Amino acid sequence: GAVVSQHPSRVICKSGTSVKIECRSLDFQATTMFWYRQFPKKSLMLMATSNEGSKATYEQGVEKDKFLINHASLTLSTLTVTSAHPEDSSFYICSAREDRGGGYTFGSGTRLTVV
Amino acid sequence: GQQLNQSPQSMFIQEGEDVSMNCTSSSIFNTWLWYKQDPGEGPVLLIALYKAGELTSNGRLTAQFGITRKDSFLNISASIPSDVGIYFCAGGTGKGNMLTFGGGTRLMVKP
Repeated sequence: GAVVSQHPSRVICKSGTSVKIECRSLDFQATTMFWYRQFPKKSLMLMATSNEGSKATYEQGVEKDKFLINHASLTLSTLTVTSAHPEDSSFYICSAREDRGGGYTFGSGTRLTVV
Repeated sequence: GQQLNQSPQSMFIQEGEDVSMNCTSSSIFNTWLWYKQDPGEGPVLLIALYKAGELTSNGRLTAQFGITRKDSFLNISASIPSDVGIYFCAGGTGKGNMLTFGGGTRLMVKP
């Protein structure tokens, strides 16, 4: 079945630094990938839609300069949290859908803690 | 924006009991998906529904895509302890391929 690999699974960083999270589709191509944020005991909130070869589409209220998205190939999207603050601490999850159709597959998530 | 109302928010049941949860929306969706999420993990797809009225089973799980395309339910029969987790419904419209998630149902099973 379709597999999405997300790395790292956990990261702790200092305030003011940047953190990059990778999302890879291992056995399929995905022109479009999605980045979500999840707070404890809450549902997933879509942050942005990542499009291979073009700019990402951000949801209302999500700062594009703070959450940089790069989708350089059909199997890799990255989310960089720039100038991280403690309030950016959260669980970030990516998902991808095969270009040929099918369900949406999620990565295992990244727990970001900013200290 | 679109919203999905998922209920119940939580359930605490005895092992062996059947479980039912549902999602409703004021908007139409073209796809309904049901996911399960374990703590510290990403959601895992359980059942995908692509046609109004569709009833699909996956082992002890059964889900239906409502005829109005505004609702869906998930049933779990003969629950077992490993069914514990958070279950999310998600609706897709096809526009941009994005999904809208329900608030989740936290299931707890007492052995």
